[in-house]
Amino acid sequence: DAGVIQSPRHEVTEMGQEVTLRCKPISGHNSLFWYRQTMMRGLELLIYFNNNVPIDDSGMPEDRFSAKMPNASFSTLKIQPSEPRDSAVYFCASSQDDRVGYTFGSGTRLTVV
Amino acid sequence: AQSVTQPDIHITVSEGASLELRCNYSYGATPYLFWYVQSPGQGLQLLLKYFSGDTLVQGIKGFEAEFKRSQSSFNLRKPSVHWSDAAEYFCAFFRDTGRRALTFGSGTRLQVQP
Repeated sequence: DAGVIQSPRHEVTEMGQEVTLRCKPISGHNSLFWYRQTMMRGLELLIYFNNNVPIDDSGMPEDRFSAKMPNASFSTLKIQPSEPRDSAVYFCASSQDDRVGYTFGSGTRLTVV
Repeated sequence: AQSVTQPDIHITVSEGASLELRCNYSYGATPYLFWYVQSPGQGLQLLLKYFSGDTLVQGIKGFEAEFKRSQSSFNLRKPSVHWSDAAEYFCAFFRDTGRRALTFGSGTRLQVQP
């Protein structure tokens, strides 16, 4: 299995632009998680899905952020409009069973200038 | 608040020395506890986990952790550190009920001296 695949690996965009981050979970995993990592705030859960349904989006910072999971093999995290404070590494993770743990992707490093 | 705390931001050890990274949890019942490692520019990799049974758990790369309810701790240990162990280590937990998503500690950065 190729693991959790995130794209792009790096994204540099100008303030005000729309940014879309993509994630392909491991086949057969029914839970998907989006985390954001910054120096100041560490690893924060943004949203998670179970069987393609959003379960908890209380970590989404504001309405500029949205996430979708149209099917079991694909999820997106969109920021519109982007701001410099959104600069961070965004991780996607998937899981088949919480007690087994999550498999993380390599992350997308977002820089908003 | 229910959480995990990693008291040490940065630790430096010599190659071949033993290692212990601290993790304390705050939760009324027994949480599900995990240790992850993150190498520079990489995602997080699961080292080991605990949710019941034997309180000493073995993980990958020669790591182990011991769950101590009396101390609310789940410290990570390795008897002999290798240079390749230099990375950031995260303790994480989730409750058996309620919000079922991992909450991470702030991390401990390990530096290994030759």
